[in-house]
Amino acid sequence: EDKVVQSPLSLVVHEGDTVTLNCSYEVTNFRSLLWYKQEKKAPTFLFMLTSSGIEKKSGRLSSILDKKELSSILNITATQTGDSAIYLCGSRSLTTSGTYKYIFGTGTRLKVLA
Amino acid sequence: EAGVTQFPSHSVIEKGQTVTLRCDPISGHDNLYWYRRVMGKEIKFLLHFVKESKQDESGMPNNRFLAERTGGTYSTLKVQPAELEDSGVYFCASSQVTGGNTIYFGEGSWLTVV
Repeated sequence: EDKVVQSPLSLVVHEGDTVTLNCSYEVTNFRSLLWYKQEKKAPTFLFMLTSSGIEKKSGRLSSILDKKELSSILNITATQTGDSAIYLCGSRSLTTSGTYKYIFGTGTRLKVLA
Repeated sequence: EAGVTQFPSHSVIEKGQTVTLRCDPISGHDNLYWYRRVMGKEIKFLLHFVKESKQDESGMPNNRFLAERTGGTYSTLKVQPAELEDSGVYFCASSQVTGGNTIYFGEGSWLTVV
């Protein structure tokens, strides 16, 4: 059965710290890996990674995919209290009917203290 | 543009009762997904519609759950009769075309069965 595993489950850091969130996957017909940030309500899209070794950046957030290791990391530098959220990792895979299926991990709950 | 909207946002029902959750995807999005998050666990895939057709319902827990998408617009997820273990957050997500790059989530419907 396909699965996405995230670690750690939760993390508490102080403002200014750098954090690394991990995601590993075992997915048949894998196509892409996605990261979302969930604050109070709907998860919002951060990154989609399809190619291995190519870093994607958005401000203080960056992410990279390693297809050999079947994993991805999400880095947040100089954390701020506004980064406190659940970070979800998901995979996009191709089904036998030609559509795409998305599955997600448990998420990492990050709390940044002032 | 309106995002994915879900109703109700919270629902508390007694065991044995029926609840119907509704999801309105982003206008024009053919793909609609239902997920469920039980506390402490991953966001688990339930099913996927392409327009009004059920593309993949492999994640539906049992026959107490019925999802419909009449006319390929909004979708409903009915739980009848509800059991305690059905408690959780039910997320709906949509994407524009088959193979669309990312999916957009609604805010979720919190269901508590007591």
